[in-house]
Amino acid sequence: DSGVTQTPKHLITATGQRVTLRCSPRSGDLSVYWYQQSLDQGLQFLIQYYNGEERAKGNILERFSAQQFPDLHSELNLSSLELGDSALYFCASSVSGGGEAFFGQGTRLTVV
Amino acid sequence: AQSVTQLGSHVSVSEGALVLLRCNYSSSVPPYLFWYVQYPNQGLQLLLKYTTGATLVKGINGFEAEFKKSETSFHLTKPSAHMSDAAEYFCAVSEGTGFQKLVFGTGTRLLVSP
Repeated sequence: DSGVTQTPKHLITATGQRVTLRCSPRSGDLSVYWYQQSLDQGLQFLIQYYNGEERAKGNILERFSAQQFPDLHSELNLSSLELGDSALYFCASSVSGGGEAFFGQGTRLTVV
Repeated sequence: AQSVTQLGSHVSVSEGALVLLRCNYSSSVPPYLFWYVQYPNQGLQLLLKYTTGATLVKGINGFEAEFKKSETSFHLTKPSAHMSDAAEYFCAVSEGTGFQKLVFGTGTRLLVSP
């Protein structure tokens, strides 16, 4: 158990819908990262937050957004969902931007 | 931009045999390199990392990797495979000086037969 909690574990939704994925980092970790793992794109970095502020951005679509709240948990919002958004979404956390990142078990999103 | 190439999407070994998973990287700056393992229905677990210093890095579960700058390689090895090593392994390079913004390879699935 890495200490990073992601909910829900599985999510099935229809095209065009909006979903929110939640991540609770390890106690004391200030930095949260979101990654997408899909069959065609592999593991891709989406976005990083550090203590509530966006720190780095990767290949995140405009339909996707994220935020980190004062209690340090983070949410990834995916809207206007398409079939191609079906993937495993991982959250990771670290103490700082330079520390080892611990990954959660992921949320498997299926868009039908 | 940094990139990682993992040779071989699948590697099969017998239990007790040497494990060698290949990783080559491209980086415009001194790289931070990582190997992660992913078991079925699990998240990613850090096996080992290279930041600076000693080029032979030892990790968990008996794995080690050697950073070779001249070959831009960071291959993962284990002297004797165990059935429990069957998993997917990812090599990654950091675009920064830490763990942020990791660029992952496509992964290598290790199959271990008795």
